Amino acid sequence: AQKITQTQPGMFVQEKEAVTLDCTYDTSDPSYGLFWYKQPSSGEMIFLIYQGSYDQQNATEGRYSLNFQKARKSANLVISASQLGDSAMYFCAMREIPEIQGAQKLVFGQGTRLTINP
Amino acid sequence: DAGVIQSPRHEVTEMGQEVTLRCKPISGHDYLFWYRQTMMRGLELLIYFNNNVPIDDSGMPEDRFSAKMPNASFSTLKIQPSEPRDSAVYFCASSSDLTLGPQHFGDGTRLSIL
Repeated sequence: AQKITQTQPGMFVQEKEAVTLDCTYDTSDPSYGLFWYKQPSSGEMIFLIYQGSYDQQNATEGRYSLNFQKARKSANLVISASQLGDSAMYFCAMREIPEIQGAQKLVFGQGTRLTINP
Repeated sequence: DAGVIQSPRHEVTEMGQEVTLRCKPISGHDYLFWYRQTMMRGLELLIYFNNNVPIDDSGMPEDRFSAKMPNASFSTLKIQPSEPRDSAVYFCASSSDLTLGPQHFGDGTRLSIL
C-alpha cells in the first residue's frame, strides 16, 4: 500500500503566486515525522521543512510552510511568493518511529514537478 | 559545515564490471542510508547503517549489491557484476539520532551501465 501519495505529477504556477503541493500519508503509528525535499534539475536532494506528528503548530521555514492536518493525514507544502528558482521536483516523505529502537526508514512519494512561469 | 560527500559524481561503465560508490557522511551522524532513484520506481531505500552496523538491507535488490561501513566516516556500495538495469542515481544520506531531524543527502552518483 502506498504510504505517501502525491497526486499532482506536475504543476505550473505564475511567478510570485503562492503554490500548494499536496501530500497525504498512511500510517498507524502515533509517532512519525513528515519531510519535504526539493530536487532541482541539477539532481541534489535539498531538505526544506519538517513536521513532527506531535507538533502543535504548523512548521514554517522562510517562504515554506507545511499545512499539517493530522485527522486528514495530509501534509501539504505551501510556497509563498514563488520564484523562478523554485522550479524543481518536490518530494514528500514520512518517517515512522516504530517500536524497534533506531529504525529510521524514510518513505518517499513519487514527487510533484513544479514549474514557475515568468 | 561539510555535507554528505559522494564520489564519483558520474560513472559510466560496461556491463559485467564492478562498480564501487563511496560516501562520507556528515561528521557526528550515526545513521547512513543508501538510496536508488529511477524514473520507474522513484526513490528507494537500499540499506541503512546505525553506528556502522547494517540495520535493514531489505531494499538491496539482489546479491550483486553489497554495502559496507568500515568506520564512522566512510561507506561503500558495490555492484558486482553490474547490469544495464542498475543504471540510476544513487544517493547517500546521513542523519543524527538525537532528534527527529532530517536526513541530509549527498549530491548523488549518476551511474550508467552500458
